[in-house]
Amino acid sequence: DAGVIQSPRHEVTEMGQEVTLRCKPISGHNSLFWYRQTMMRGLELLIYFNNNVPIDDSGMPEDRFSAKMPNASFSTLKIQPSEPRDSAVYFCASSQRGRGVDEQFFGPGTRLTVL
Amino acid sequence: DAKTTQPNSMESNEEEPVHLPCNHSTISGTDYIHWYRQLPSQGPEYVIHGLTSNVNNRMASLAIAEDRKSSTLILHRATLRDAAVYYCILYSGAGSYQLTFGKGTKLSVIP
Repeated sequence: DAGVIQSPRHEVTEMGQEVTLRCKPISGHNSLFWYRQTMMRGLELLIYFNNNVPIDDSGMPEDRFSAKMPNASFSTLKIQPSEPRDSAVYFCASSQRGRGVDEQFFGPGTRLTVL
Repeated sequence: DAKTTQPNSMESNEEEPVHLPCNHSTISGTDYIHWYRQLPSQGPEYVIHGLTSNVNNRMASLAIAEDRKSSTLILHRATLRDAAVYYCILYSGAGSYQLTFGKGTKLSVIP
């Protein structure tokens, strides 16, 4: 199993540009999570999908952020327009059932730099 | 959410055992104790979890105090690859899904 796959691994863009981050969860997992990690705030949950449906997006910072999961094997996190304060490492994780006791498997992350 | 308290950093010599403490005095009866670790430039990785009894797996052991107000992650023989930030997290058993990461303990392993 390849694990959770994220692309790109690194993204450098200019303020105001649209950024799309991609995630392929582990096959058979029905829950997907997007996290953001910064030095100041640590790891924060942005949004949680269960069976491709967004369950909790209360962590999404503002309307510039949107996430979709069109099918069980693909999800995107989009930032439009991007700002320098969005610079962070973005992680995608998946789990089998999404229950708290279930292990979450994290991808390698996308390091985003907004100039 | 119930909170956890961990030391900011710890050091260990290679091939020595490491005991990473975590205090969770406000833990509820349905909270599971999870440990994740994050190696440099990688995503977090599950280590172990438990509810009441001590647990062992190929990576580590988890010792849970009888009153459940504290726990200790035990790495039996630290290797250089174990240098990471270790997070102690409480998970509600009542349908919660959210991982709330604190600051964790940064473990340095000295060759």
